[in-house]
Amino acid sequence: DTEVTQTPKHLVMGMTNKKSLKCEQHMGHRAMYWYKQKAKKPPELMFVYSYEKLSINESVPSRFSPECPNSSLLNLHLHALQPEDSALYLCASRLPGQGATNYGYTFGSGTRLTVV
Amino acid sequence: AQSVTQPDIHITVSEGASLELRCNYSYGATPYLFWYVQSPGQGLQLLLKYFSGDTLVQGIKGFEAEFKRSQSSFNLRKPSVHWSDAAEYFCAVGKAAGNKLTFGGGTRVLVKP
Repeated sequence: DTEVTQTPKHLVMGMTNKKSLKCEQHMGHRAMYWYKQKAKKPPELMFVYSYEKLSINESVPSRFSPECPNSSLLNLHLHALQPEDSALYLCASRLPGQGATNYGYTFGSGTRLTVV
Repeated sequence: AQSVTQPDIHITVSEGASLELRCNYSYGATPYLFWYVQSPGQGLQLLLKYFSGDTLVQGIKGFEAEFKRSQSSFNLRKPSVHWSDAAEYFCAVGKAAGNKLTFGGGTRVLVKP
C-alpha cells in the first residue's frame, strides 16, 4: 500500500458544527502532516506529527485540533469554524530522518471543506 | 529561512510543444528540491526530487529538472506536452534535517490543442 487515504472527500459544515477529517497510511511512515490549501494558492503547513507526537504547530487557531491516535492514523477535529476556513485540507506522510532516501512526502487527495 | 519563487503564474503552451517551468530557491545549505503536480481538486503528485549527485533529474510522465547551484534554480522541463499535462505545478524545498516543506506559489499550465 503506497497511498495516503483521506476521508471524507467533501465536507460541508455549519459554523456551529463539530466534524473531523481523517487521514490514514500503511506505509510505515512515522511523520504525518496537515496542510491547508486555499484556491489558487500553494499548500500551507498547519501541523506536523513525528512518532505520534506533535512537533510543529504553525500558530493554527484552536478551532483546529489535531490528533494522532497511532502511527497510521491522523485526525483533524474541527469546531466553530469560519467561512474563511473553507479550503482543501491535505494530509501527507513520510519516513522521518535525515537520510535522502527517506525524504519523500506522499500526499493524500485532500478533503474539500466548505463552511457555511 | 528557506523560500521558493516561481516567477510565472500562468503558462500557455501548445500540445506537442516543449515546456519549461522556472523555480528559484533561497536556502543556506544544499536543499532538498521537489516538483509536484496538482490537477484540479486533487492532491499533490510527486514528479521528481533532487538531493545530491547528478544535477539532471529524471521524473515521471516524461519530466526532467536541472539543479543549478550557481543560479539557485531547479527548472522543470518536458520536451513535448500532452493535453493531460494541464495542471498546477509546485516547486518545493525542504531542509535536510527538518520536517518542513516550503512551496512556491505555483505555475498554472494551460495546454492549447
